[in-house]
Amino acid sequence: QVQLQESGPGLVKPSETLSLTCTVSGGSIRSSYWTWTRQPPGKGLEWIGYIHHSGSTNYNPSLKSRLTISVDTSKNQFSLKLSSVTAADTAVYYCAREVAGIYRYFDLWGRGTLVTVSS
Amino acid sequence: DIQLTQSPSFLSASVGDRVTITCRASQGISSYLAWYQQNPGKAPTLLIYAAVTLQSGVPSRFSGSGSGTEFTLTISSLQPEDFATYYCQQLNTYPYTFGQGTKLEIK
Repeated sequence: QVQLQESGPGLVKPSETLSLTCTVSGGSIRSSYWTWTRQPPGKGLEWIGYIHHSGSTNYNPSLKSRLTISVDTSKNQFSLKLSSVTAADTAVYYCAREVAGIYRYFDLWGRGTLVTVSS
Repeated sequence: DIQLTQSPSFLSASVGDRVTITCRASQGISSYLAWYQQNPGKAPTLLIYAAVTLQSGVPSRFSGSGSGTEFTLTISSLQPEDFATYYCQQLNTYPYTFGQGTKLEIK
């Protein structure tokens, strides 16, 4: 059974870089697209971007200038880096698997990790 | 970006009720729509994809309909575990976007 687990610092200072990793267990990262979505406290969901195991990416234009998503197939992990963070980047960050056939959908999610941006 | 507007934003209902949530897209998205359920402090879980296809393991009291710009999620007979927040998501055009959510509360 495939599971996803986010990891990384829970507190980041303003202007610094937020770094998170999602570890895929119970299956291969070479099988799908892998995504990041975030949710500010008490608010709705925002899609951040995806990476394919080949390394191809697609980012939300609202974050593109600050965002890097990468994959390490040897570790079965993919990662997110968001630079120059502000309080507006405080959110629960979720990694998820995107099924990409005729129709696309996020069928498997990690439990999420809260990242707070504060000095 | 494609905007998704859910209605209502809040819904109060009782166990056994039939409820419907609507999701309207700012432009046509064919059937590239998914519905998720989210309980407090938990990750979203997939209910329906391709507008009408029930994800494996999801109870049959959930159903989806629609195409183009108007979609609905229906729960035929509410169970206690269904009181949660529901989100629609369009996967037709990047960036993917979500509706603002519908919080379903016990009356």
